[in-house]
Amino acid sequence: SQQGEEDPQALSIQEGENATMNCSYKTSINNLQWYRQNSGRGLVHLILIRSNEREKHSGRLRVTLDTSKKSSSLLITASRAADTASYFCATDDQGGSEKLVFGKGTKLTVNP
Amino acid sequence: DAGVTQSPTHLIKTRGQQVTLRCSPKSGHDTVSWYQQALGQGPQFIFQYYEEEERQRGNFPDRFSGHQFPNYSSELNVNALLLGDSALYLCASSFTGTTKTQYFGPGTRLLVL
Repeated sequence: SQQGEEDPQALSIQEGENATMNCSYKTSINNLQWYRQNSGRGLVHLILIRSNEREKHSGRLRVTLDTSKKSSSLLITASRAADTASYFCATDDQGGSEKLVFGKGTKLTVNP
Repeated sequence: DAGVTQSPTHLIKTRGQQVTLRCSPKSGHDTVSWYQQALGQGPQFIFQYYEEEERQRGNFPDRFSGHQFPNYSSELNVNALLLGDSALYLCASSFTGTTKTQYFGPGTRLLVL
């Protein structure tokens, strides 16, 4: 079963704009990770945020985590055409399981 | 430093056949996980191997089996293929004891006719 649910399912913006994607999950977690996937190929790891962290930055990426609401957001600032991809959040669980549970992803299109 | 590699990149099989997919983990990683990604869906966890043993398994039938070798590389075997097994199969590697970040390979796209 899918734990994470990304929102929106699809997002289309202009180059230079910011893109915000949201993820909700169901059970308590240790970590939440965001991945990018281009054209149905392998997933590229973007950022990991631990359950005791509230915000994390990496370059143009900003991730927030609200464990009370079981939700996370990924913000891409000053988007580029090369950011066009599908973005997935993935969670593990506090039980120590190492499997990742993914949502269906947000398909981001950045128009030049 | 080579990342996660998978072979083959594409594969076409017919129903009832068997298939073996291969994965070499990122250098220094000792844990390999396999995921199935159907079109338009997120990856679904199949199983994970560590120290040549299946450590955890997702909700997949026994037709899906695997193996990990002493050099940490891994194979995914699927028997009695069904049309519904058509998907992108992703291998991910990680190092047990760290932050659990899993690094993915490019995947093998399997088409069952």
